[in-house]
Amino acid sequence: EVQLVESGGGFVQPGRSLRLSCAASGFTLDDYSMHWVRQAPGKGLEWVSGISWNSATIGYADSVKGRFTISRDNARNSLYLQMNSLRGEDTALYFCAKRGSYYDLTNWGQGTLVTVSS
Amino acid sequence: QSALTQPRSVSGSPGQSVTISCTGTSSDVGNYDFVSWYQQHPGKVPKLMIYAVRNRPSGVPDRFSGSKSGNTASLTISGLQAEDEADYYCSSHVGTYTLVFGGGTKLTVL
Repeated sequence: EVQLVESGGGFVQPGRSLRLSCAASGFTLDDYSMHWVRQAPGKGLEWVSGISWNSATIGYADSVKGRFTISRDNARNSLYLQMNSLRGEDTALYFCAKRGSYYDLTNWGQGTLVTVSS
Repeated sequence: QSALTQPRSVSGSPGQSVTISCTGTSSDVGNYDFVSWYQQHPGKVPKLMIYAVRNRPSGVPDRFSGSKSGNTASLTISGLQAEDEADYYCSSHVGTYTLVFGGGTKLTVL
């Protein structure tokens, strides 16, 4: 069974940093591209970032470009999101998701909550 | 990376059909057959319902169908059931490892 478990969320002041992790199990991580998607409280889904199986290709939403960095360690079955210069509008539940063959997100974790506030 | 446009809400009675539209541009929906639809019940994780415009993952009822014309994709739910009441989001491939979501549509089953 595919399982994705996010961690690393918490309460942080504006301008500070946070690193999210996503532990994958039940499948071979290096066979798949992976993505981060966030959802602000009471709002819709927002795509954040995606990374190819070998980290060769990466994409970011304009809203996080230059501040967030996605990475992965296939040997550790893990996906990461380094978030710097955090802003109030980054407050959200952050999901990691496994990508299918058609840019669909087939499996999602339960999410980890990031709250940015002074 | 502008969000795709969805109606904020739609409604229908049990047994009826509803269609949710998802309008993008020639750079996203109109340029790729990589439109997906997700269902999200309150407090739950999004669930993939349709991929590649019209394909259903295993386990998704055939009451759910997808289509696309030009820059607009659509999700149709026929034979509405109470458990279909949820938020629905479309997404499209935009470019290299880049996706965009719609703003979401709240489906109410009357």
